[in-house]
Amino acid sequence: GNSVTQMEGPVTLSEEAFLTINCTYTATGYPSLFWYVQYPGEGLQLLLKATKADDKGSNKGFEATYRKETTSFHLEKGSVQVSDSAVYFCALSGYNAGNMLTFGGGTRLMVKP
Amino acid sequence: EADIYQTPRYLVIGTGKKITLECSQTMGHDKMYWYQQDPGMELHLIHYSYGVNSTEKGDLSSESTVSRIRTEHFPLTLESARPSHTSQYLCASSDQVGSGNTIYFGEGSWLTVV
Repeated sequence: GNSVTQMEGPVTLSEEAFLTINCTYTATGYPSLFWYVQYPGEGLQLLLKATKADDKGSNKGFEATYRKETTSFHLEKGSVQVSDSAVYFCALSGYNAGNMLTFGGGTRLMVKP
Repeated sequence: EADIYQTPRYLVIGTGKKITLECSQTMGHDKMYWYQQDPGMELHLIHYSYGVNSTEKGDLSSESTVSRIRTEHFPLTLESARPSHTSQYLCASSDQVGSGNTIYFGEGSWLTVV
């Protein structure tokens, strides 16, 4: 079946540091890949997505590239802000699973001023 | 912004009480979902629906039940709440077509059973 593995947190960074949150997946066929963000006390919001190999999703300074050869979708940001503190979830959906989202376990990011 | 709404946002109830968590979306989406989020952040799919009169159980077994009488409405009910039901419940919806379609989430309902 489908699965998503992301790096465990918490990840603690200083403001303006470079961020990488690793995400790898296992799936048959050609899944779509997503990053969702959850701010404290809120639901999940879509951050970015990519629907085919080599696509790059980007939003709010965050980027992730769909790498089929390494089955990865790592999230990056060049300069984090305190307001980026949140939990980040990597997810995939695929036709063979009825397009259901399979989530990783989440990575908590804490950015200190 | 997604137009999907959950009520109540926060609820504290006693053991044995019946509760219904409401979820409504105004996007006309066919698919709707309920996820349970553990205190440790992991998300588990507990129910989903492909459309009116369709309900299915998700990956995680749950004592809750759902109904889908109208496209926009997907309530979740616990007949007799227990402390083990304490969790956050997230409702979501998406279009039917394609694996690349975004799933939109509500803000969640935090349930505490005492």
